[in-house]
Amino acid sequence: DSGVTQTPKHLITATGQRVTLRCSPRSGDLSVYWYQQSLDQGLQFLIQYYNGEERAKGNILERFSAQQFPDLHSELNLSSLELGDSALYFCASSARTGTGDEKLFFGSGTQLSVL
Amino acid sequence: GIQVEQSPPDLILQEGANSTLRCNFSDSVNNLQWFHQNPWGQLINLFYIPSGTKQNGRLSATTVATERYSLLYISSSQTTDSGVYFCAVGDHGSSNTGKLIFGQGTTLQVKP
Repeated sequence: DSGVTQTPKHLITATGQRVTLRCSPRSGDLSVYWYQQSLDQGLQFLIQYYNGEERAKGNILERFSAQQFPDLHSELNLSSLELGDSALYFCASSARTGTGDEKLFFGSGTQLSVL
Repeated sequence: GIQVEQSPPDLILQEGANSTLRCNFSDSVNNLQWFHQNPWGQLINLFYIPSGTKQNGRLSATTVATERYSLLYISSSQTTDSGVYFCAVGDHGSSNTGKLIFGQGTTLQVKP
């Protein structure tokens, strides 16, 4: 168990709809990262929040947005959904471990199917 | 941006065999991590190894940063090692430990 919690595990919706994915980082981790895994693009970094502030942006569409709340959980909002948005969405958090490594730990993902 | 290439793309092993997976990257990096995605989709962090060698049980990894490659060794493979192995790197100029560029992965199947 990575300690990163994601809900829901599966989401089925229709084109044009809006969904919200939720993530809680590991206890004590201030950063939350969102990644998308699709068959054609592989694993891609979308966006990072650190202690409530946006820290870095990757290949995130304008239809997608995220936020991190004071309790450090994060939500990824996907709107005007298209068939091509079907993918596995991961949340991750990172911190320096006891051995000094700075590892990225992933949640179990949300499988989004847009029909 | 940095390109990450992994080889081989697919690998089939008999249980008990050893294997070496390779990751080449196109520019200097300050962050390199190996992940295993199991058949249930879970991504598990195996190593944080921007340089040097580390071992964890039957797995070990070596990164030669000056030559821009990393190797993941799996010894005495087991069926539970099946899945996809990803190498991921961070830009040298970035101190952001979680903003990683992933390779396309090596799909490993271990047969009993």
